[in-house]
Amino acid sequence: QSVLTQPPSVSAAPGQKVTISCSRGSSNSGQNSVSWYQLLPGTTPKLLIYDNDKRPSGIPDRFSASNSGTSATLDIAGLQTGDEADYYCGTWDSSLSAGVFGGGTKLTVL
Amino acid sequence: QVQLVESGGGVVQPGRSLRLSCAASGFTLSRHGMHWFRQAPGKGLEWITYISSDEVNKNSILSVKGRFTVSRDTSKNTLYLQMNSLRAEDTAVYFCARFSGSDGSGSWDYWGQGTLVTVS
Repeated sequence: QSVLTQPPSVSAAPGQKVTISCSRGSSNSGQNSVSWYQLLPGTTPKLLIYDNDKRPSGIPDRFSASNSGTSATLDIAGLQTGDEADYYCGTWDSSLSAGVFGGGTKLTVL
Repeated sequence: QVQLVESGGGVVQPGRSLRLSCAASGFTLSRHGMHWFRQAPGKGLEWITYISSDEVNKNSILSVKGRFTVSRDTSKNTLYLQMNSLRAEDTAVYFCARFSGSDGSGSWDYWGQGTLVTVS
């Protein structure tokens, strides 16, 4: 079974940088890329990062990510109050033919 | 531009059925795998089911297998989720999403606005 584990919450002050981790619980899923999603309260999920570290057009470069295989991370620099949201990592596990998402991390900008 | 618009949510009694629709515009459904997710109150995003671009492959999480069925109508460019034998624990906002990229490096790049299903 493929599992992605995220911390329930992170917080930082405006202007600072925060890192959200996404640990893989199954070595098989390490072959598949990770994407990241932002879910603002009452809105629809928004793709922030795809293919481990690529930003769709329109996503500011304050958002960056990496993937070591066993762990992926999302960095958000220059925090703004508008960044307060839930962040999810996800992957398509081709061996299971199933989507796998982390439990989400609530970002609070103090 | 790409747009996904869900409809069909509402309040339904346990054991009854509901069909959600996801109307796509700006792209052709048959060129993408299409997925359904849900978010229960106070919970995280949960992937529940998908249909491959060629309709050959489908899969779903264990808790909805045999109850939920994903399908699509290419003439209407619309995705569906037929939900039968609904349970209280199916209460959630349901999202459809487009999958782009390959199996090894794909992501869900467009999402619908969500439709609320309340089983009570």
